[in-house]
Order: sequence, then C-alpha cells, then structure tokens
Amino acid sequence: AQSVAQPEDQVNVAEGNPLTVKCTYSVSGNPYLFWYVQYPNRGLQFLLKYITGDNLVKGSYGFEAEFNKSQTSFHLKKPSALVSDSALYFCAVRGDYGGSQGNLIFGKGTKLSVKP
Amino acid sequence: GAVVSQHPSWVICKSGTSVKIECRSLDFQATTMFWYRQFPKQSLMLMATSNEGSKATYEQGVEKDKFLINHASLTLSTLTVTSAHPEDSSFYICSARDLSSGSYEQYFGPGTRLTVT
Repeated sequence: AQSVAQPEDQVNVAEGNPLTVKCTYSVSGNPYLFWYVQYPNRGLQFLLKYITGDNLVKGSYGFEAEFNKSQTSFHLKKPSALVSDSALYFCAVRGDYGGSQGNLIFGKGTKLSVKP
Repeated sequence: GAVVSQHPSWVICKSGTSVKIECRSLDFQATTMFWYRQFPKQSLMLMATSNEGSKATYEQGVEKDKFLINHASLTLSTLTVTSAHPEDSSFYICSARDLSSGSYEQYFGPGTRLTVT
C-alpha cells in the first residue's frame, strides 16, 4: 500500500534562512507527489506537484521540491523563508492504484514556524 | 484557477440533530469529489469518494449510514452527518478533481468546522 511519511512534526527557521520540510513516500509504481499548505481553520492550498519530468519542481510562493527516486523522497524547499510561510504543510501521494479513484494519501503534516 | 466552496464554514448543532455540508465546484465540473475529516493537529483522513450519479465509496471504518453523501450534479456534493454526537465534532474538508485539466490535481474547499454540543 502506498504511504507518505513526514518525519518532523515541526520545523523552526529564522526569517531569511533556507527551509526544508521533509517527505518520503512508498508506492508500488510511479509516484504522483504533491505538496499542500494549510493556514489555521482553512482548507488546503496547492503548492506544487511532481508527475513526471524534471526532478526539481517549482511551485507557488517561491517553493520548490526535489524528487529523488533512489531515496524515495520529495522534500519541500525554499531559499529564503518568510514569517508568512508559517503554516502546516502536507505531503501527499496520489492513490490511483487499484480502485481508489485517485484520492490523495496525506502525510501527518509538518508545522513550519518562521521567526523574525 | 479552479475554486471549490463549502457551506457552511462553521456550524454548531445539538447532539442528535443532523447537519448538511455542501461542497461546490464553482468554475469546473467535478465527476469525483472527496470528503476528508481532520482532527486538531492531525492529518486529513479520507472518509469517502463521491461520484456524480452513483453511490459513494466509503473508507474502512466510516459509517455510511451516519455520513450520507449525495453527488447529485457535476458541481455539487453534500455530506450529511446524521444524529450527530460530540465525537463527530471535527473539521470536514472536501476536494474535487477537474477531469478536463488532466492534471491529477485536487482542489480543496475551505473546510467546515462542525461542533456538536
């Protein structure tokens, strides 16, 4: 069965410093990977996705993620963090194997805290 | 971009009553919508997959008679929590797939906060 792991419950970064939010996955075929951000009491906002092609994917708000097949990872990165980036970040893999109709399987989430 | 709305954004109801939550795709057609539940500081758990014109597919452990899902049109799916109890209090989020885009993306609604007293 496919799964997603986000090993860090929280990541603390100083404003202006680079940030990384980690994600590893386990799938039986080619992975379709996603990153979403959630602000308090709000739904999820799409950041970026990897389906195929370049391993480095650029997304919204200056975020990017690198697909690493050998390490089965899809870490989210940003060169310079902003206080406004503070939120809950979810990594997800598309569960289109078997009869799951393409639903997303989410990691547990990582809270990003950016301090001024 | 594709927009998904949910109504209401929050609701408080008494134990034993039923609550209906609407999920609408505003500018695209969604043959498939998904309903998720999120507990505080936890991830989203898929409850069911809703297909237009057919019965919803429920995940293991989700009571289909308690969480009634109706996907009556290509832009509307509803989740009805029947005979609600305090343990049903949660944040319910829907999402929809835009099949015409072919991008596998899901677009999420803003969520509905349900509190059962």
